[in-house]
Amino acid sequence: TQLLEQSPQFLSIQEGENLTVYCNSSSVFSSLQWYRQEPGEGPVLLVTVVTGGEVKKLKRLTFQFGDARKDSSLHITAAQPGDTGLYLCAGAPTGNQFYFGTGTSLTVIP
Amino acid sequence: GAVVSQHPSWVICKSGTSVKIECRSLDFQATTMFWYRQFPKQSLMLMATSNEGSKATYEQGVEKDKFLINHASLTLSTLTVTSAHPEDSSFYICSASLGSSGNTIYFGEGSWLTVV
Repeated sequence: TQLLEQSPQFLSIQEGENLTVYCNSSSVFSSLQWYRQEPGEGPVLLVTVVTGGEVKKLKRLTFQFGDARKDSSLHITAAQPGDTGLYLCAGAPTGNQFYFGTGTSLTVIP
Repeated sequence: GAVVSQHPSWVICKSGTSVKIECRSLDFQATTMFWYRQFPKQSLMLMATSNEGSKATYEQGVEKDKFLINHASLTLSTLTVTSAHPEDSSFYICSASLGSSGNTIYFGEGSWLTVV
């Protein structure tokens, strides 16, 4: 069961532009994670958020967890070609059992 | 840091045969392991939760008799795809948890299964 919907599904932008990826659900999560995945490899964890309203920054990436802990967003500033990849949010209703979002495929054009 | 290893990375099998994929936690004991399946250009779908010493918990729609999961030790979980069919061809990924909570989970490199 896919509990989390991501938007947009596909995104192609020019280098230097900003973008935001959304992760929405009707379910409440005890924690939410964001991953980036390269083709043929396992996902790589970017961040974990656990508190409603929490904002975390990782260099040019800003992550926000919704106040109600049902949604999250990932904002990338000044995108670079190295940011290209599949971005996945994953939420855990309880414990460490994470369900992944539908995914957002990002392409940054040099 | 902690590492989770999967084997094999790639496997091709004939339709109707069974294939086993291993997931090992190399430097920590994993009380819980998770198995995911990912089709091309799609997200990861949780198949089952594997707890050491007990039966796996399968997600709705996943056939437990087709996807056999064994978690006999704290460092090894196996997924056996029985009577494989071409539609079972997919990328299978495991993750391992250091505990029941705390969000400390690590993913394996994934295993590509192609059924011909």
